[in-house]
Amino acid sequence: AAGVIQSPRHLIKEKRETATLKCYPIPRHDTVYWYQQGPGQDPQFLISFYEKMQSDKGSIPDRFSAQQFSDYHSELNMSSLELGDSALYFCASSPGGRSTDTQYFGPGTRLTVL
Amino acid sequence: LAKTTQPISMDSYEGQEVNITCSHNNIATNDYITWYQQFPSQGPRFIIQGYKTKVTNEVASLFIPADRKSSTLSLPRVSLSDTAVYYCLVGEKAAGNKLTFGGGTRVLVKP
Repeated sequence: AAGVIQSPRHLIKEKRETATLKCYPIPRHDTVYWYQQGPGQDPQFLISFYEKMQSDKGSIPDRFSAQQFSDYHSELNMSSLELGDSALYFCASSPGGRSTDTQYFGPGTRLTVL
Repeated sequence: LAKTTQPISMDSYEGQEVNITCSHNNIATNDYITWYQQFPSQGPRFIIQGYKTKVTNEVASLFIPADRKSSTLSLPRVSLSDTAVYYCLVGEKAAGNKLTFGGGTRVLVKP
């Protein structure tokens, strides 16, 4: 079965640079979530979108922004990168409008800020 | 949001049954109990979800007592590949709800 696709899988950036992470949800899933997981930490919710509209917002820095496009893929844009932004970034998708909350996670993007 | 408490870590051996208990004293009437599994450097994976009594699927069983203040995830006959972190989450079963991960249980299966 098709899974959530994330690109790139690995990304190395310098401080103060920008980065864009992409997420392609499972077909027919209209809800996308972004999570950040620092080294040795639990995943932390950043932001979510349902039908291309922001549906919830967590501890996402103002330097980060995200959007969901007409084909339901999502992009997380990160600017003025800091060393502390080094983490695994997971995207998850769910059927959204249907009566289920099970989220399916992608393989993650490992961001390293030098 | 109901707070959950689970053991930090557990060790087991191949072929044994592993039971992880999660406490959620402040669980609300509309809350469901969901368990996710996470391998190192991989995204969490849904294991099982329940509301009351017992739920079983091909991977695990979930036991929920009548007062619903705790739940137990049971993994039958574990193998080395079951070594992972297991998260207990409590919340409403509503589409679009964010997942709040906190303090999972690190299970180590030994040969």
